Amino acid sequence: DAEITQSPRHKITETGRQVTLACHQTWNHNNMFWYRQDLGHGLRLIHYSYGVQDTNKGEVSDGYSVSRSNTEDLPLTLESAASSQTSVYFCASSDRASGSTDTQYFGPGTRLTVL
Amino acid sequence: AQKVTQAQTEISVVEKEDVTLDCVYETRDTTYYLFWYKQPPSGELVFLIRRNSFDEQNEISGRYSWNFQKSTSSFNFTITASQVVDSAVYFCALSEPNTNAGKSTFGDGTTLTVKP
Repeated sequence: DAEITQSPRHKITETGRQVTLACHQTWNHNNMFWYRQDLGHGLRLIHYSYGVQDTNKGEVSDGYSVSRSNTEDLPLTLESAASSQTSVYFCASSDRASGSTDTQYFGPGTRLTVL
Repeated sequence: AQKVTQAQTEISVVEKEDVTLDCVYETRDTTYYLFWYKQPPSGELVFLIRRNSFDEQNEISGRYSWNFQKSTSSFNFTITASQVVDSAVYFCALSEPNTNAGKSTFGDGTTLTVKP
């Protein structure tokens, strides 16, 4: 069965360190997304990609970067982790085929703590 | 700009009560999709239902039903005879495939607690 996985599931790091969160999907979807979820803010879009070599900034992109070298993976990098980036991070993917419905399927999430 | 409002932050009911979760959206597009997702205490986000803007028929799936009304820009979700397992955060979302292809805007979520 197709799925979307994230690793690690839990991560504790220190302020200033670089951290990379992995996202891998086997849906063969063109679209991939990274969100963060904080209490009182719902899901906020960090970065997204419509295909290989395509990346775009979302509403809360400062301090984050992504790269898309293949269809399956969209790693999220925190260049210099800050305590404000303590959050739960979700990766999602959706189909971009003609007639697609934009339904997003989510990974299990990564809980990141920055000390 | 697209916007989704879930005015109910938290709802608490007793098991077997019916409960309705409200969702109001804003969009300028005539073609759009509406979604509901469930996030149980385990944390994963589960897709529940999708509706397109041209289909205003209500839908029932077991104890779940959805009422889509374009006249009031609402897409409400009702759980009949609620159960403890329905306790979760529920998110409503909107996508506009013609102007924001692939992107969805999510409401802030409604936390539903069903007490035994």
